[in-house]
Amino acid sequence: EAGVTQSPRYAVLQEGQAVSFWCDPISGHDTLYWYQQPRDQGPQLLVYFRDEAVIDNSQLPSDRFSAVRPKGTNSTLKIQSAKQGDTATYLCASSGLGVQDTQYFGPGTRLLVL
Amino acid sequence: GQQVQQSPASLVLQEGENAELQCNFSSTATQLQWFYQSPGGSLVSLLSNPSGTKHTGRLTSTTVTKERRSSLHISSSQTTDSGTYLCATSSNTNKVVFGTGTRLQVLP
Repeated sequence: EAGVTQSPRYAVLQEGQAVSFWCDPISGHDTLYWYQQPRDQGPQLLVYFRDEAVIDNSQLPSDRFSAVRPKGTNSTLKIQSAKQGDTATYLCASSGLGVQDTQYFGPGTRLLVL
Repeated sequence: GQQVQQSPASLVLQEGENAELQCNFSSTATQLQWFYQSPGGSLVSLLSNPSGTKHTGRLTSTTVTKERRSSLHISSSQTTDSGTYLCATSSNTNKVVFGTGTRLQVLP
């Protein structure tokens, strides 16, 4: 069974540039999560979906970040105008519907904003 | 909201020694998971243990729900155990809150 895949693996930007991250969850997983993990910190939830619906995006900086999952499968996270403070690893995870279902993580995208 | 604190922040052991990692959380949790993250790598789930004691291999987790704490015991540590151990909780939703992690280094 294929795991969660993400691309690109690395991105380097100048401040003000835009970038998109792509995630393909495990087949059949209804729930998809995006996390931001700054260096030497734990992952912090940005947004999560159940199928195509956003369930919680309260931690997503809505002025510059957006996330979609139009068909309830793949998902894209976009940063419209990157800032140095956005430097972090962006992790995608997927799970089944149950609140106790294990989350499976992708390899992450490491973003450096200069 | 939920806050998750882990201790120690870092730990250095000689191979063969045991490790004890602690996780404390501020609100009732219905799920508690321990994850491992290799340097520069992705997260891998080690154990799901919302209450009681669970064993897998050299790992033992004990969660005392009423006291809002969990521990992860690693016996006979190996150099390949080096990395970051993260505790994560959730409560009746899929929203998971992670601690800041314990960075473990096992020396040969």
